[in-house]
Amino acid sequence: GAVVSQHPSRVICKSGTSVKIECRSLDFQATTMFWYRQFPKQSLMLMATSNEGSKATYEQGVEKDKFLINHASLTLSTLTVTSAHPEDSSFYICSARDPGQGSYNEQFFGPGTRLTVL
Amino acid sequence: AQSVTQPDIHITVSEGASLELRCNYSYGATPYLFWYVQSPGQGLQLLLKYFSGDTLVQGIKGFEAEFKRSQSSFNLRKPSVHWSDAAEYFCAVGDNQAGTALIFGKGTTLSVSS
Repeated sequence: GAVVSQHPSRVICKSGTSVKIECRSLDFQATTMFWYRQFPKQSLMLMATSNEGSKATYEQGVEKDKFLINHASLTLSTLTVTSAHPEDSSFYICSARDPGQGSYNEQFFGPGTRLTVL
Repeated sequence: AQSVTQPDIHITVSEGASLELRCNYSYGATPYLFWYVQSPGQGLQLLLKYFSGDTLVQGIKGFEAEFKRSQSSFNLRKPSVHWSDAAEYFCAVGDNQAGTALIFGKGTTLSVSS
């Protein structure tokens, strides 16, 4: 199946710094990628939909100026957490749909990035 | 509103016993249904999916799920649980639109006792 990677897998940063997380589709081109956030013992919550070449669409309650999303190419989307604070500590997961899968909206998930803000 | 409900937060099953994890959905369009498993600190692994056709679908690791439209359910089953099945299980629903994200249930934690 299609493979999605994330980098880094784990990051620890100081409060007030910015952190960039990369999501790559390794063997397919993804016009749309999704960013989810997962708090401990909780489900995945959609943060935003990342569209190649256009602005991301954010879910209600997600600060677009804090969580900057860039989808500059068909294989790369980045999520930058700006001025991170301890409450931003979470598990961030991206997913991408492989158009080659036909009309089915099967999404392939990255392995996730654990962000810890001290 | 579109949603996925997993009624059981935590289930404990004896090793070798059968398992059923419940999932109910509310979705406006034709649903595409998924079950994922997540081990601690890890990403999601797709167990199985239903798009159309046979309502009983087979997945990896001996799991199966049955789509029941009349009950809006997509329950996950396994005839004999192994200790390595202990993990978090998520049911999700989506559709065939490229720009639509999946909606996840809150998850069910499976513990396996010896």
